[in-house]
Amino acid sequence: KNQVEQSPQSLIILEGKNCTLQCNYTVSPFSNLRWYKQDTGRGPVSLTIMTFSENTKSNGRYTATLDADTKQSSLHITASQLSDSASYICVVSWDSNYQLIWGAGTKLIIKP
Amino acid sequence: NAGVTQTPKFQVLKTGQSMTLQCAQDMNHEYMSWYRQDPGMGLRLIHYSVGAGITDQGEVPNGYNVSRSTTEDFPLRLLSAAPSQTSVYFCASSRQGPRNSPLHFGNGTRLTVT
Repeated sequence: KNQVEQSPQSLIILEGKNCTLQCNYTVSPFSNLRWYKQDTGRGPVSLTIMTFSENTKSNGRYTATLDADTKQSSLHITASQLSDSASYICVVSWDSNYQLIWGAGTKLIIKP
Repeated sequence: NAGVTQTPKFQVLKTGQSMTLQCAQDMNHEYMSWYRQDPGMGLRLIHYSVGAGITDQGEVPNGYNVSRSTTEDFPLRLLSAAPSQTSVYFCASSRQGPRNSPLHFGNGTRLTVT
């Protein structure tokens, strides 16, 4: 069964600290993997996309990694800011062009 | 540039009532979709459309209808509301299908069915 699992479910860190969010998937055939950021009360916004051949991609203070062999991805946030408080959702695309496999998200809280 | 606009933001319905959630986008995207988001679960696809006049079912279509008469608009109709339809509903669009281009989401409609 195609599944995306994210860990931890929630995370609290102090402002300025780094953190890493995990995404494991059992989706086949794999096409690509996206990370979305969802602020409270808003819709998700795409942060980055990882394709099969990419290992690392950065978007400012966000760095995503992909290990296609172990079917794992991570999102590392450097020098966290209060505005990073949000849910981060991992989404995997597969054979279908129209249907995605969504993780349940990690809720990140940054405390001052 | 408004992006994806959803109305209303909040709605309370009684069991058995019907209503339409509105969604409009101004990016000329061909692909539009409706998702529901429930606590502890990933987003679930209700219906989607790849262009005006074309719609298809997603993962959880029962109890919902859609139509796509224009590129801009993609309303979602609840036929006879049930408490199980209490959820946050998101409309999203993308230039191509969501595999190849990012989804642009509205800010959601929070629906409560009593």
